[in-house]
Amino acid sequence: GAGVSQSPSNKVTEKGKDVELRCDPISGHTALYWYRQSLGQGLEFLIYFQGNSAPDKSGLPSDRFSAERTGGSVSTLTIQRTQQEDSAVYLCASSLAGALYGYTFGSGTRLTVV
Amino acid sequence: DQQVKQNSPSLSVQEGRISILNCDYTNSMFDYFLWYKKYPAEGPTFLISISSIKDKNEDGRFTVFLNKSAKHLSLHIVPSQPGDSAVYFCAATVANYGGSQGNLIFGKGTKLSVKP
Repeated sequence: GAGVSQSPSNKVTEKGKDVELRCDPISGHTALYWYRQSLGQGLEFLIYFQGNSAPDKSGLPSDRFSAERTGGSVSTLTIQRTQQEDSAVYLCASSLAGALYGYTFGSGTRLTVV
Repeated sequence: DQQVKQNSPSLSVQEGRISILNCDYTNSMFDYFLWYKKYPAEGPTFLISISSIKDKNEDGRFTVFLNKSAKHLSLHIVPSQPGDSAVYFCAATVANYGGSQGNLIFGKGTKLSVKP
């Protein structure tokens, strides 16, 4: 597609449930990033995929968070046993080859844990 | 500890005047800096960038200045327009991290309001 597509755009879930967030990057972009923005906070780095290299998971806040990228394209961010502090906008971005080319962000998934 | 700091959460400017958004960083390894603009309910969009080998980069109404000794950069918008009202994020990275280009570290953003 023309841009980065994220689904769902909004997700309300009960505390303790698992959620999956999906990202379709721009075709041909080898780099894919997940960030989150909590209320009043900046963009917090979560995970970074670059081609076939092992992902940089250094930003994942706990082992409840995981992400995968299948076939070098679509990525899924999974949050297990959601907590209220997980409520945030989760943003996916892709880039042609890395940060220097600038990211193209999706519109995000607003996750609310009740 | 925040490596990229935007100390002003908000800024209000009159249409036609200059908007100056500031950003400070602490990691001296950062050598590439970017500004992003974000409207409500949309993802951030890339605005302008600067490499540490330069001290100024200009693109139309937008100019970014970099002061490496002070670890400070600023974004100037001249003249400001109501459509510029958005949240502006400063971001930094180490261009040659691990032989590839790593992730961007973002500030918390500054909400700019340009009044007609």
